[in-house]
Amino acid sequence: AQKITQTQPGMFVQEKEAVTLDCTYDTSDPSYGLFWYKQPSSGEMIFLIYQGSYDQQNATEGRYSLNFQKARKSANLVISASQLGDSAMYFCAMREKGGGSNYKLTFGKGTLLTVNP
Amino acid sequence: EPEVTQTPSHQVTQMGQEVILRCVPISNHLYFYWYRQILGQKVEFLVSFYNNEISEKSEIFDDQFSVERPDGSNFTLKIRSTKLEDSAMYFCASRLALKTYEQYFGPGTRLTVT
Repeated sequence: AQKITQTQPGMFVQEKEAVTLDCTYDTSDPSYGLFWYKQPSSGEMIFLIYQGSYDQQNATEGRYSLNFQKARKSANLVISASQLGDSAMYFCAMREKGGGSNYKLTFGKGTLLTVNP
Repeated sequence: EPEVTQTPSHQVTQMGQEVILRCVPISNHLYFYWYRQILGQKVEFLVSFYNNEISEKSEIFDDQFSVERPDGSNFTLKIRSTKLEDSAMYFCASRLALKTYEQYFGPGTRLTVT
C-alpha cells in the first residue's frame, strides 16, 4: 500500500507567487514525521523542512512552510514568493520506525515544480 | 557547513563486476543510510546502519549487497556482482543522533551497469 501520495506530477507557478505542493500519508504509528526534500536537475537531495507528529505548530524554514493537518493526514509544502531557482522535483517523505532506534524514510513519487518568469 | 560527500560521482561498470560506492557522512553523525533512485522513479530505502551494524534492510538489499564502516569516517556500499537493474543513483545519508530526525543526503553516485 502506498504510504506517501503526491497527486501532482507537475506544477507551474509564476515567479514571486506562492505555491502549495500536496502530500498525504498513511500510517498507524502515533509517532512519525514528515519531510520535504528538493531535487534540482543536478540530482542532489536537499533537505527543506521537517514536521513531527507531536509538534504543536506547523514547521517553517524561511520561505518554506509545512501545512500539517493531522486529521486529514496531509502535510503540504507551501513555498512563498517563488524564485526561478525553486524549479526542481520535490519529494515528500515519512519516517517510519525501523530496527532498534533507527528509522527509514519512505518517499512519494515527487512533484516537478516549474517556476515561470 | 558540513556535508555528506560521495565518490565517485559516476561509475560505469560491466554486468557481473563488483563495485564499491563510498560515502563520508557528516563527522559527528551516528546513523547512516543508503537509498537508491532508479531514473525517473522515487527514492527507495536500501539499508540503515548504526553502531557498526545493520539496523534494517529492505528486500532490495539482498546477498549481493553489503555495507561497511571500515574506519571512523567512511561508509561504503558494495555490490558484489552487478546486474543491469542495479543501474540507479545511489544516495548516502546521515543523521546526527537519536532525537534528531533530519537525514542529510550526499550528492549521489550514478551507477551505470552495461
